Amino acid sequence: RKEVEQDPGPFNVPEGATVAFNCTYSNSASQSFFWYRQDCRKEPKLLMSVYSSGNEDGRFTAQLNRASQYISLLIRDSKLSDSATYLCVVIRYGGSQGNLIFGKGTKLSVKP
Amino acid sequence: DTAVSQTPKYLVTQMGNDKSIKCEQNLGHDTMYWYKQDSKKFLKIMFSYNNKELIINETVPNRFSPKSPDKAHLNLHINSLELGDSAVYFCASSQVEWNGELFFGEGSRLTVL
Repeated sequence: RKEVEQDPGPFNVPEGATVAFNCTYSNSASQSFFWYRQDCRKEPKLLMSVYSSGNEDGRFTAQLNRASQYISLLIRDSKLSDSATYLCVVIRYGGSQGNLIFGKGTKLSVKP
Repeated sequence: DTAVSQTPKYLVTQMGNDKSIKCEQNLGHDTMYWYKQDSKKFLKIMFSYNNKELIINETVPNRFSPKSPDKAHLNLHINSLELGDSAVYFCASSQVEWNGELFFGEGSRLTVL
């Protein structure tokens, strides 16, 4: 089982829809979590951190469920410009290799 | 001003050649990284440098060697290129190591023929 797993999608949704992605992680020692966004043929960019109590940034809401070891990203009122791949990132402190681990990403396509 | 810049953006070369990719950041960050994104879009850490010290070195072939002349630069040199090295290589930096807030360069797309 991969340490960080995401549904690759694609999620095809109409404008205005609400869409949610989940990301599961296997190592309970994981301590910090983030969502990144990557547009086609571009570099990843930080979208938001994920706090234990959940956090919101405009139309975006991130949540963490430590008991079930997953994080989620909710996008409300989808815009065409939200079309991108959303990467889940998990940080595990300590260990000898790769403390910052990216998921493979979930592709979102918002249609008119 | 570009925060993290990489050159070249595109590189096409023959198997067996040696090539370098340069990276510079003007953010004053302490840590720089190299990531490889293959055709399956999986982003994998290759190296990171903190104050010119190699922190981690993933199980990458020793044909890959990072070189950091100073805190603002982390170059990637690749010897004896192989077909499987074809990928997009991203440089990134963060203010402190492993704080999760990475700033990426635009990527260098390497094609080995």
